[in-house]
Amino acid sequence: EVQLVESGGGLVQPGGSLRLSCATSGFTFDDFAMHWVRQAPGKGLEWVSGISYNSGNTLYAESVRGRFAVSRDNAKNSLFLQMNSLRGEDTAFYYCAKTPYSSSSGDHFDSWGPGTLVAVSS
Amino acid sequence: SYELTQPPSLSVSPGQTATITCSGDKVGDKHTSWYQRRPGQSPVMVIYQDNKRPSGIPERFSGTNSGNTATLTISGTQAMDEAEYYCQAWDSSPLWVFGGGTKLTVL
Repeated sequence: EVQLVESGGGLVQPGGSLRLSCATSGFTFDDFAMHWVRQAPGKGLEWVSGISYNSGNTLYAESVRGRFAVSRDNAKNSLFLQMNSLRGEDTAFYYCAKTPYSSSSGDHFDSWGPGTLVAVSS
Repeated sequence: SYELTQPPSLSVSPGQTATITCSGDKVGDKHTSWYQRRPGQSPVMVIYQDNKRPSGIPERFSGTNSGNTATLTISGTQAMDEAEYYCQAWDSSPLWVFGGGTKLTVL
């Protein structure tokens, strides 16, 4: 069974940094691209970032480009999101999501984690 | 920026058909997926590539996509189908956009 479990969320001040992790099991991690999707309180889902199976290609939403960095450790079956220069509008639940493709540009997400909450506030 | 619009809520009686729409400019030219999220749970994909159903998803879930509207249909809706449903569109830019979600109530 595919399992994705996010961690690392919490309360951070504006301008601060946070690193999210996603531990995975139940599938061959290094065969598949992975993504981050977030949901702000009372709002819809928003795609944040994606990374190909071998880290060769990374993609970012305009709203986070230059502030967030996605990475993965295939030896540890883990996905990461380094978030810098955090703003109030980054407050959201952050979900890691698996695709059934090796390329980061695949069209859907076939498994999701339960999410971790990031709150940016002074 | 590209936007998808869903009705915020929909109520149906058990056994009825629930039809959830997702409107966007030429969304028929994009691939669409649908995700179900029950309270306190992770999203679950119920339809991908417009009309494909993943293994384990009941046959009562179906999807269409044409013109400016994608549609998720749940035939013979059951109480366990009560959840939020999100549409998602993709194109080869690549672009991933989600709708605002529809809360389906079965009563």
